[in-house]
Amino acid sequence: ELKVEQNPLFLSMQEGKNYTIYCNYSTTSDRLYWYRQDPGKSLESLFVLLSNGAVKQEGRLMASLDTKARLSTLHITAAVHDLSATYFCAVDIRGTYKYIFGTGTRLKVLA
Amino acid sequence: EPEVTQTPSHQVTQMGQEVILRCVPISNHLYFYWYRQILGQKVEFLVSFYNNEISEKSEIFDDQFSVERPDGSNFTLKIRSTKLEDSAMYFCASSEAWAVGNQPQHFGDGTRLSIL
Repeated sequence: ELKVEQNPLFLSMQEGKNYTIYCNYSTTSDRLYWYRQDPGKSLESLFVLLSNGAVKQEGRLMASLDTKARLSTLHITAAVHDLSATYFCAVDIRGTYKYIFGTGTRLKVLA
Repeated sequence: EPEVTQTPSHQVTQMGQEVILRCVPISNHLYFYWYRQILGQKVEFLVSFYNNEISEKSEIFDDQFSVERPDGSNFTLKIRSTKLEDSAMYFCASSEAWAVGNQPQHFGDGTRLSIL
């Protein structure tokens, strides 16, 4: 069964702290995506990771990809309240025109 | 910045009725998608569409569902006979190409479908 699992599902953290969200996938994929979703809103693209060892950073967020381990991480540095949202990873399945989203990680940053 | 637009933002329908959800993808995009998200849950792939035909569909996308690009701008999702479990947020997305370069999908704001 094709799975994209995120860990943790819920994360409550203090402002200023660091934390990492993990995304494991069970299929062969060429690309991994990270999206942010605010409550009741659409999905906003954060990162597209194209190859093994890819690392991208934007502000307090940094994403990386290990295709051999089928693992991506989203690292949060010195969290601020504005980062509170749900974060999804997604993969496209090689050989198909299909995307699979992860289970999502609901992040709450406490002041 | 160009965006994907969806209408209506909220649709309330009686069970068994047909519903059509509409989307206008970004104008130079070639690939179109529908997803659904049941409240508080993950985003589920329904279908991808390219060159006026379905490229891929999930097991959720059964005979009750259909998609169409009736003209050069709209992309629609039709549910023929709605069920209670079809209640969800439906997102349309588009992309320039399939998994080429660093192009993500761009999502619309969604249509909240409520089946009574």
